[in-house]
Amino acid sequence: NAGVTQTPKFQVLKTGQSMTLQCAQDMNHEYMSWYRQDPGMGLRLIHYSVGAGITDQGEVPNGYNVSRSTTEDFPLRLLSAAPSQTSVYFCASSGAGSGANVLTFGAGSRLTVL
Amino acid sequence: AQSVTQLGSHVSVSEGALVLLRCNYSSSVPPYLFWYVQYPNQGLQLLLKYTTGATLVKGINGFEAEFKKSETSFHLTKPSAHMSDAAEYFCAVTGGGTSYGKLTFGQGTILTVHP
Repeated sequence: NAGVTQTPKFQVLKTGQSMTLQCAQDMNHEYMSWYRQDPGMGLRLIHYSVGAGITDQGEVPNGYNVSRSTTEDFPLRLLSAAPSQTSVYFCASSGAGSGANVLTFGAGSRLTVL
Repeated sequence: AQSVTQLGSHVSVSEGALVLLRCNYSSSVPPYLFWYVQYPNQGLQLLLKYTTGATLVKGINGFEAEFKKSETSFHLTKPSAHMSDAAEYFCAVTGGGTSYGKLTFGQGTILTVHP
């Protein structure tokens, strides 16, 4: 049971480059979300999705795009990378019902923007 | 809207000593509260949660937390620290009901355990 899989684990970009962080879950969870983790700031929500075709913004959405064409996948796109986007990114998923608020996290993707 | 404040970004204890990690929250609706743990270079995993019912919640690895509405607190405790407890701990809150994967996290507390 893989849970939530994120790729790549590490990435270095130059300012202005674009890239996509991949996230896939195999638990048939309805809800998926992206967080960024910065020292002393905890985790902050970037975007989230309540189902295929439905996404919405979180606390810090600027500079990021998402889409959800399938239940399993929720990629995060950086359109034009900036040094301020240097961070560790976590994808999470949760199911409906009593488990709706219990997040399963991926292992994280560490991004450095030069 | 919800917010979380974790008091103390770093806590250091000796092995066998009491662990106390403090969390205060703000919520305009009855909250659901969580503690997550992050070991080095890993994702977060759930330690315990409070939704409704009993205010003293027991989690994995001997941790527990008590929801105190009057103090808006959800402090995490463990009677006797073990070296393997060294990690970063996050308190999180959401409004009651389905959060759709949206939690508000505190800043995190790094726990160091000395031999």
